[in-house]
Parts: sequence; structure tokens; C-alpha cells
Amino acid sequence: QQQVKQSPQSLIVQKGGISIINCAYENTAFDYFPWYQQFPGKGPALLIAIRPDVSEKKEGRFTISFNKSAKQFSLHIMDSQPGDSATYFCAARFGNEKLTFGTGTRLTIIP
Amino acid sequence: DVKVTQSSRYLVKRTGEKVFLECVQDMDHENMFWYRQDPGLGLRLIYFSYDVKMKEKGDIPEGYSVSREKKERFSLILESASTNQTSMYLCASSFGRGDTQYFGPGTRLTVL
Repeated sequence: QQQVKQSPQSLIVQKGGISIINCAYENTAFDYFPWYQQFPGKGPALLIAIRPDVSEKKEGRFTISFNKSAKQFSLHIMDSQPGDSATYFCAARFGNEKLTFGTGTRLTIIP
Repeated sequence: DVKVTQSSRYLVKRTGEKVFLECVQDMDHENMFWYRQDPGLGLRLIYFSYDVKMKEKGDIPEGYSVSREKKERFSLILESASTNQTSMYLCASSFGRGDTQYFGPGTRLTVL
């Protein structure tokens, strides 16, 4: 089964800290790994994505780290802000198959 | 900008009622998806459609059916609503099957 396992289920981080969310997968054919961000009352939206030919991708305060040998990838949010409080979903897919989503992480940034 | 709209933000129905959830996208996307979102379970795919009148079962299709008569519209049908179908329902669309999915705001359905 094409699963993507995400942890933790919930995370509380102080303002200014680093938030880290992890995902692991089994299918070595996966070739695209996006992260989606969902604010309360909204649908998820693409935040950042990486392909397995690079080990890291950074966009502003958001970084994806990718470890192909360990079959893991993670989202790091630097200098976390209260506005980053949201639910985050990792996902993966291979070829033109549909995305497989992780179970989500509810992130809360406290002052 | 891609826009995906869902017919209702909140819906309350009674057990046994037939429920229709409507989704419309304005970007001429080939693919449309219905998910339900429950705490701790993430996004679970109910059905998706890759073309007009074409559909495939997702991970949890039991108790649901879908209809896609026009490219821009994808309907989710609960033939006989049950309390365990109380959930947030999210519609999404994408150009290619594996491309970025654009989500609607969701419909929170409560079945009493």
C-alpha cells in the first residue's frame, strides 16, 4: 500500500522557535513530495514541494529536507510565527498517479 | 487564480436522508476529488474523477456515490446519511492526476 506516515499529530512551538514535521514513505518510486498548509476554515493549499534529486529546498522560512536513503522528508519552519498556526499535510506521488497524503500535523505557535 | 467552490459551508441532515454535496471548479481541470477530513485520520479519498462521466473509487467509497456530468462540476452523494458520515468534506481539482490539487473551503456535514 502506498502510505505516507506523518508525525507528530500535533505540535506546540514557541514563537521564534523551529517547527519540525516528519514524514516517512515506503514506495521508492515516489518522485514528488509536496507539503500542504491548511488554515482553520479553509481548504489545504500547496506550500512547498521537492523532488528526490535534491536534498533540500528552501522558500523563505520554510525548508524541506529530503533523505532518500532513509525514505524520509521533513518540513522545517524557522522563526515560527503565530500566523504559521495551521494543519500541515505531507504528500507523495509517483509519475502521474494521484497524491497520497499523510495524516496531518496540527501546529500551534504560542507567544 | 484557480477557484474551487462548494455549495455549502455547513449542512445539517437527519439519518436516512439523501445528501448532495456540490463542487465547481473554474480552471478547466480534468481531475476532481472528494475527501473527508477527520481529526487524526487526515485526508481520506472517497472518489475521484479523471474525466466527465468517469470515476474511480478512492480509499473509503462505501456509503457514497459521485456524479460528473459536466467537466466543471463534481457531486458527492450520500444515498442514506448515517451519523458516522458526520465530517468535513473537501473537494479538490487538478490539471493532471498527480499535479497540484486546489481545494475548496470544505463543507462541514452533521448527520443527526
